[in-house]
Amino acid sequence: NAGVTQTPKFQVLKTGQSMTLQCAQDMNHEYMSWYRQDPGMGLRLIHYSVGAGITDQGEVPNGYNVSRSTTEDFPLRLLSAAPSQTSVYFCASSPSGLTTDTQYFGPGTRLTVL
Amino acid sequence: GNSVTQMEGPVTLSEEAFLTINCTYTATGYPSLFWYVQYPGEGLQLLLKATKADDKGSNKGFEATYRKETTSFHLEKGSVQVSDSAVYFCALISGSARQLTFGSGTQLTVLP
Repeated sequence: NAGVTQTPKFQVLKTGQSMTLQCAQDMNHEYMSWYRQDPGMGLRLIHYSVGAGITDQGEVPNGYNVSRSTTEDFPLRLLSAAPSQTSVYFCASSPSGLTTDTQYFGPGTRLTVL
Repeated sequence: GNSVTQMEGPVTLSEEAFLTINCTYTATGYPSLFWYVQYPGEGLQLLLKATKADDKGSNKGFEATYRKETTSFHLEKGSVQVSDSAVYFCALISGSARQLTFGSGTQLTVLP
């Protein structure tokens, strides 16, 4: 059971480039989400999905797109990378996203935008 | 809105010392409360959780009690080990938000 997997582990981009961060889970969870982690700020929610075909914005969605075509996958797209998007990105999943659910996190992608 | 305030770090302790990391929260409705731990270079792992008032979550010698009257969820461990060195995050989910609201994290270093 792999849990939540993320690729790549590390990425360096130049300003203006685009890329997709991959996230997959094999636990048949309905709820998936993306967070970014910045020093001294904890984790902040970027986008989330409550099921295939359904996505919504979190606290800091600007500059990011998501889609959810399958239950397993939830990719995060950076359309035109900016230095402010340098961060560590975590994908998470839970059975339904309800208040009592435990959310399971992937190992993270460390992104640097030059 | 929801918010979590955590004790600022970093915290440095000697092995076998007593640990307390304070966490207080503001939330609408009746939140569930969580402590996550992040070891160096890794993602977040759930350490413990409590889903209603007066519940005590516990795991690996760590404990935290959901105190509605003081809106707190302080993390404690009676005797820390070097292997407990990590960053600890307090978090909550409340109502229909479906998102975790995190504190800023507390870096713990345990010295042998």
